[in-house]
Amino acid sequence: KNQVEQSPQSLIILEGKNCTLQCNYTVSPFSNLRWYKQDTGRGPVSLTIMTFSENTKSNGRYTATLDADTKQSSLHITASQLSDSASYICVVSAYSGGGADGLTFGKGTHLIIQP
Amino acid sequence: GAVVSQHPSWVICKSGTSVKIECRSLDFQATTMFWYRQFPKQSLMLMATSNEGSKATYEQGVEKDKFLINHASLTLSTLTVTSAHPEDSSFYICSARDGSLAANEQFFGPGTRLTVL
Repeated sequence: KNQVEQSPQSLIILEGKNCTLQCNYTVSPFSNLRWYKQDTGRGPVSLTIMTFSENTKSNGRYTATLDADTKQSSLHITASQLSDSASYICVVSAYSGGGADGLTFGKGTHLIIQP
Repeated sequence: GAVVSQHPSWVICKSGTSVKIECRSLDFQATTMFWYRQFPKQSLMLMATSNEGSKATYEQGVEKDKFLINHASLTLSTLTVTSAHPEDSSFYICSARDGSLAANEQFFGPGTRLTVL
């Protein structure tokens, strides 16, 4: 069964600090991995999308890494801002199987940035 | 680009009434749209896949007669919650796939908060 596990479930850090969120997956055959930011009461917004051959991808202060061998990904947030407070969802796509293009969603990491 | 809108953003209704939620792709054509439901502090759960001009494909456990989906054009899909009950209260999110993109990326709408009294 395809699964995506995220850790930690929640995280509180001070404004200006860095943090790293983790995502482990057992999705096969792997197509791509995406990180989304979801503000409370809003839809998810894409941060990065990585295919098998990509090890790292940045989007401003967000940097995602992918290790397809160990099936792990991380999202690193640099110099956090209050507006970074949100849930961060890891989504892995399989080439076939299941609806929604074979997307498997993690439960997300709820990040709170404190002033 | 790649903007998906939903309407309404929130709705409160009485038990037994029907509610229609619209999902529009504003600047691209979406041959496929998806409907999700999200309960508090939970991940998105796929309800159904909607293809333009054909019947929707529902996930196991989702009642097709209760959640009516219509995808009449390449930019519009609607979800109608029929005879809504309090347990249908949830956050409903649609997404649309831009088939012109190589990654087949989905773009999510802002969501609709449904509260059934």
